[in-house]
Amino acid sequence: GAGVSQTPSNKVTEKGKYVELRCDPISGHTALYWYRQSLGQGPEFLIYFQGTGAADDSGLPNDRFFAVRPEGSVSTLKIQRTERGDSAVYLCASSLMGGREQFFGPGTRLTVL
Amino acid sequence: RKEVEQDPGPFNVPEGATVAFNCTYSNSASQSFFWYRQDCRKEPKLLMSVYSSGNEDGRFTAQLNRASQYISLLIRDSKLSDSATYLCVVNSGGYQKVTFGTGTKLQVIP
Repeated sequence: GAGVSQTPSNKVTEKGKYVELRCDPISGHTALYWYRQSLGQGPEFLIYFQGTGAADDSGLPNDRFFAVRPEGSVSTLKIQRTERGDSAVYLCASSLMGGREQFFGPGTRLTVL
Repeated sequence: RKEVEQDPGPFNVPEGATVAFNCTYSNSASQSFFWYRQDCRKEPKLLMSVYSSGNEDGRFTAQLNRASQYISLLIRDSKLSDSATYLCVVNSGGYQKVTFGTGTKLQVIP
């Protein structure tokens, strides 16, 4: 079956611009996670959705970052006024409710010039 | 202190060697523990969960020491294909939020 998909795979933008990153979880997975991974680091938690609601957004670094999941499936991570420090790979993962394993998408590599 | 700490390596080992990684965690309330594998420029994938009694999957053995708050991963008879970064993952208590370590890089040499 289809795994987690993320689009775009690469995004290059200029400082100050707005970007949207999309995640399509595995069908039937109610839990969805966003992470950010910088070179040489492990994935850093950003936000977790259970269904449509954000159960925990404590990892969002500041109010320039926002994520939605309006129908409990696809999620969009939105970054306003991008900064060079936002450059990283943004990973999305999904899991069954109560499931222990998270299934990751291939990530979106964001480069802010 | 970081929530999850790992030696970043790299560990360079010859084929056929046995190698072990440790990972320490700070939250004594953590209940779930995992090892994920991440190949270069790829997404992380679950290698194995870590159970209180320890568990084995082929050449891989995972153990948990709650008293000392660390988990370990042992790889026997290393293969070239084992070269990857191994991420220690610990739940942060409560529900499904987890914290990843920085990863330990393993390079198996012919």
